[in-house]
Amino acid sequence: EAGVAQSPRYKIIEKRQSVAFWCNPISGHATLYWYQQILGQGPKLLIQFQNNGVVDDSQLPKDRFSAERLKGVDSTLKIQPAKLEDSAVYLCASRGLGQTTLAKNIQYFGAGTRLSVL
Amino acid sequence: QKEVEQDPGPLSVPEGAIVSLNCTYSNSAFQYFMWYRQYSRKGPELLMYTYSSGNKEDGRFTAQVDKSSKYISLFIRDSQPSDSATYLCAISLPSGNTPLVFGKGTRLSVIA
Repeated sequence: EAGVAQSPRYKIIEKRQSVAFWCNPISGHATLYWYQQILGQGPKLLIQFQNNGVVDDSQLPKDRFSAERLKGVDSTLKIQPAKLEDSAVYLCASRGLGQTTLAKNIQYFGAGTRLSVL
Repeated sequence: QKEVEQDPGPLSVPEGAIVSLNCTYSNSAFQYFMWYRQYSRKGPELLMYTYSSGNKEDGRFTAQVDKSSKYISLFIRDSQPSDSATYLCAISLPSGNTPLVFGKGTRLSVIA
């Protein structure tokens, strides 16, 4: 079973530029998450999708961040314009429906996109 | 008060040592407790999972939950250099559709 795929792995941009990250979850996983992980911190949820609908985007800075999952499969996260404090690793995770309590709560993570804003 | 508190370390131990990693949480509604391991430049991978008080063992790893104290621990026996990574505790509410709340992570180095 293929894991969560993310691209690019690394991105360096200047402040005020725009950037986009792509995520392809594990096949069949209905729930998709985007997390931001700042150096030395744990991942923080930005947005959660169930199929192609948004479940929770309360922590997404909507003035500059946007995300979509148009066909309920892969997803794109965009930042426009970027600020210095957006430098972080952006992690995508997915979760299946699962038949057991354990399976329903396991999130599988991609390797992340490391963003540096100069 | 943060929802999950975790000592960020770093923690450095000799090979073969017993390692104890800990987190505390503030909301008694949290019911599911996980430990993720994150190697440098990789995404987190699930290491241990439990949803009840007590101990759960898997090889050299033991996860312990004390719901009365809102305290969770991960013990690593006979630590190996390959255990060198950041360990993140994560908790969630009973509903399977809620996001994980992570601690800051503890960076562990096991020295050969």
